[in-house]
Amino acid sequence: LAKTTQPISMDSYEGQEVNITCSHNNIATNDYITWYQQFPSQGPRFIIQGYKTKVTNEVASLFIPADRKSSTLSLPRVSLSDTAVYYCLVGSSGAGSYQLTFGKGTKLSVIP
Amino acid sequence: GAGVSQSPRYKVAKRGQDVALRCDPISGHVSLFWYQQALGQGPEFLTYFQNEAQLDKSGLPSDRFFAERPEGSVSTLKIQRTQQEDSAVYLCASSLKSTATQYFGPGTRLLVL
Repeated sequence: LAKTTQPISMDSYEGQEVNITCSHNNIATNDYITWYQQFPSQGPRFIIQGYKTKVTNEVASLFIPADRKSSTLSLPRVSLSDTAVYYCLVGSSGAGSYQLTFGKGTKLSVIP
Repeated sequence: GAGVSQSPRYKVAKRGQDVALRCDPISGHVSLFWYQQALGQGPEFLTYFQNEAQLDKSGLPSDRFFAERPEGSVSTLKIQRTQQEDSAVYLCASSLKSTATQYFGPGTRLLVL
């Protein structure tokens, strides 16, 4: 399974755009990149998934460069309620891929 | 519709006691997963069910841990003779199929004294 590296923590003011970058140098051809969000005392929640280029949904955007060795989760105009831990996961849709492999994640603190 | 629910939300056990943690998955979800999350860490995979069949239990840390899903819906994670190192949050997730998006419950926080 590809290992991921992301910052341990980030601070941001309300209303700013936040970009969290994840490195995954050993990503395999069949691997997708998935981001989860976890609030205190809750289970992780799926945010977004992509394979290459850019993916956007109502919550976030995911930017993946051509070499796919990194990815950036972009949260537009964060609010206090976006304070959470964000996990970057890399895995394929093949056999055994149901084992989600979480790292330590990035703890985002949004400041008023 | 209702999401994944887990009970109890909190459990305090004395070392050596047995505990049972329950998971109610989203209705119709074939796949069910258990994860363990230590303080300050990401969740770690424990075991996976497809309907009532336990297809993967490679993440269970010892033979004191076992899980069941006898009718293919509700699942129970049982820990026998609990130890202090078992203290963690136990998360349950379900999905339509094994490779689909996993939806997590709120977890059960277990504290072993």
